Amino acid sequence: KAGVTQTPRYLIKTRGQQVTLSCSPISGHRSVSWYQQTPGQGLQFLFEYFSETQRNKGNFPGRFSGRQFSNSRSEMNVSTLELGDSALYLCASSLRTPILSSGNTIYFGEGSWLTVV
Amino acid sequence: GQQLNQSPQSMFIQEGEDVSMNCTSSSIFNTWLWYKQDPGEGPVLLIALYKAGELTSNGRLTAQFGITRKDSFLNISASIPSDVGIYFCAGQLAGNSGYALNFGKGTSLLVTP
Repeated sequence: KAGVTQTPRYLIKTRGQQVTLSCSPISGHRSVSWYQQTPGQGLQFLFEYFSETQRNKGNFPGRFSGRQFSNSRSEMNVSTLELGDSALYLCASSLRTPILSSGNTIYFGEGSWLTVV
Repeated sequence: GQQLNQSPQSMFIQEGEDVSMNCTSSSIFNTWLWYKQDPGEGPVLLIALYKAGELTSNGRLTAQFGITRKDSFLNISASIPSDVGIYFCAGQLAGNSGYALNFGKGTSLLVTP
């Protein structure tokens, strides 16, 4: 079955603009989470959605937001982009939430590379 | 979130050698996961561990969930050039209301033929 699909794969934006990234989870998975990866900070948790509800949020400013649709697809939005927002944004999906177990683990997409100039 | 202590930071080995890397935490974890990430790609799940003491293999890879639930190691036997990449440990904290993963900084592995 298809894995986690993220679009777009690469994009360049200018400071002050906003960006929307999309994620389609593995078929049947209802939980979607987002991570930011940078060389300096590594992988950091942004937020997690289950059944269209945000259940968990990382320590990021309010410029970072997301949502989940009834078909479990998710989008994240970053407004008023800053240079420091340049990163690989990774989406991950899981069958359900919250506790991981055999049969309920997390799979990542290939990511969306965002460059802010 | 809590940063896991992953070591070594990098390894440069010859093909055929065995590799060992580990992650430690000051907190107890419910789950340990090991991922491999190639340049420009997302992390690919290698091994998932759900019980303290659990030892799991995936081909030439073996990982263990520490008895204290605060550490895990990953071994790669008889390394080959395609093992090159960055290996990350990740864990879910016990009692976490969501399942945000905490990640190590990664171990960069280089294998020479």
